[in-house]
Amino acid sequence: KAGVTQTPRYLIKTRGQQVTLSCSPISGHRSVSWYQQTPGQGLQFLFEYFSETQRNKGNFPGRFSGRQFSNSRSEMNVSTLELGDSALYLCASSSSIQGAVSPLHFGNGTRLTVT
Amino acid sequence: DAKTTQPTSMDCAEGRAANLPCNHSTISGNEYVYWYRQIHSQGPQYIIHGLKNNETNEMASLIITEDRKSSTLILPHATLRDTAVYYCIVRGPYSNSGYALNFGKGTSLLVTP
Repeated sequence: KAGVTQTPRYLIKTRGQQVTLSCSPISGHRSVSWYQQTPGQGLQFLFEYFSETQRNKGNFPGRFSGRQFSNSRSEMNVSTLELGDSALYLCASSSSIQGAVSPLHFGNGTRLTVT
Repeated sequence: DAKTTQPTSMDCAEGRAANLPCNHSTISGNEYVYWYRQIHSQGPQYIIHGLKNNETNEMASLIITEDRKSSTLILPHATLRDTAVYYCIVRGPYSNSGYALNFGKGTSLLVTP
């Protein structure tokens, strides 16, 4: 079974631009989560989608948004990029349904550098 | 979710068992203990999880104390490829309000030749 796929692997953008990152979950997984990882803050939860609905959102500004498609693929968008948005963005998928216990499976991330 | 406490770093000789402790004294009855690890520049990798019984899989063993206030992840024969940051996370079952993991700082394990 193919793992979680994130594209692109690396991205360089300029302050003020916007960026879209893509995530393809493991086949059959309906939950997709996004995390931001920086050296100073570690791994921080951005948001989670389940069946095209945002279920949970972390403490990030509105410049960070996401969506999930009917095939469970997900995208996240960051508008008006700031230098502090430079980070590793990780996507994770899970087969979780209410009351279930199943682990998250992570992709290898997109490394975003804002200059 | 219950807060976890892990040592910042640990060393282990190759071939020896690596025992990584985690304290979670405020764990609730329905919360599970999860372990993930992250090798440099890769995404976190799920290792194992448990509720109250000890668990073992092909990667590791998880020992949870009877009062569930602490646990230990055991890598029975550590190799250089086990050098990574190990995260202990406590979380309840998935719910309709979503599912977010609090990774904390983790333990940086260095396996030496």
